[in-house]
Amino acid sequence: DVKVTQSSRYLVKRTGEKVFLECVQDMDHENMFWYRQDPGLGLRLIYFSYDVKMKEKGDIPEGYSVSREKKERFSLILESASTNQTSMYLCASSTTGTGGTGELFFGEGSRLTVL
Amino acid sequence: GENVEQHPSTLSVQEGDSAVIKCTYSDSASNYFPWYKQELGKRPQLIIDIRSNVGEKKDQRIAVTLNKTAKHFSLHITETQPEDSAVYFCAATLDNYGQNFVFGPGTRLSVLP
Repeated sequence: DVKVTQSSRYLVKRTGEKVFLECVQDMDHENMFWYRQDPGLGLRLIYFSYDVKMKEKGDIPEGYSVSREKKERFSLILESASTNQTSMYLCASSTTGTGGTGELFFGEGSRLTVL
Repeated sequence: GENVEQHPSTLSVQEGDSAVIKCTYSDSASNYFPWYKQELGKRPQLIIDIRSNVGEKKDQRIAVTLNKTAKHFSLHITETQPEDSAVYFCAATLDNYGQNFVFGPGTRLSVLP
């Protein structure tokens, strides 16, 4: 069973702080994603990565950066948190390799509050 | 880029009735359309999907239909049960490698006992 683990379920940070959200998957998936979930807006893609050290911007990358130094780990970084970044952040992974369907496997989410 | 609209935003049905959620997409090149279910406090999970070369797909009480000409696809749930209560998200992707999904805003389905 695929497991995607997000390091923090709940975080409270102050405006201007640097925030790291970490995600680890145990199924050797090549694709990893960070989404932001807000009521009425669905899931919006921030960044995704299809290989180690590779990253692609999604629909709302402004104010965020990512790091993928190892295949199993994908980190989302808020260089200087702002109140409008208060949200639920969901990490996901997928594979489209042999037997893979592209199904997204999500983590439990990290709820970030920026004061 | 792709844009996905989803209706209704909320839906209440009596247990045993059917529920239908509709999504429209803007880019005719989109070729893969999954549906995810997110129960309260839990992670989204894939429940059914359809590719552009198929018009309909069923899995027990759920089915998805696709109309490529009209650029819309729908989720049908029959004989609804309380455990069907959740938020449902449709998505579309242009990408055969499933790397860049665009999600709809979600539909909150409540199944009333």
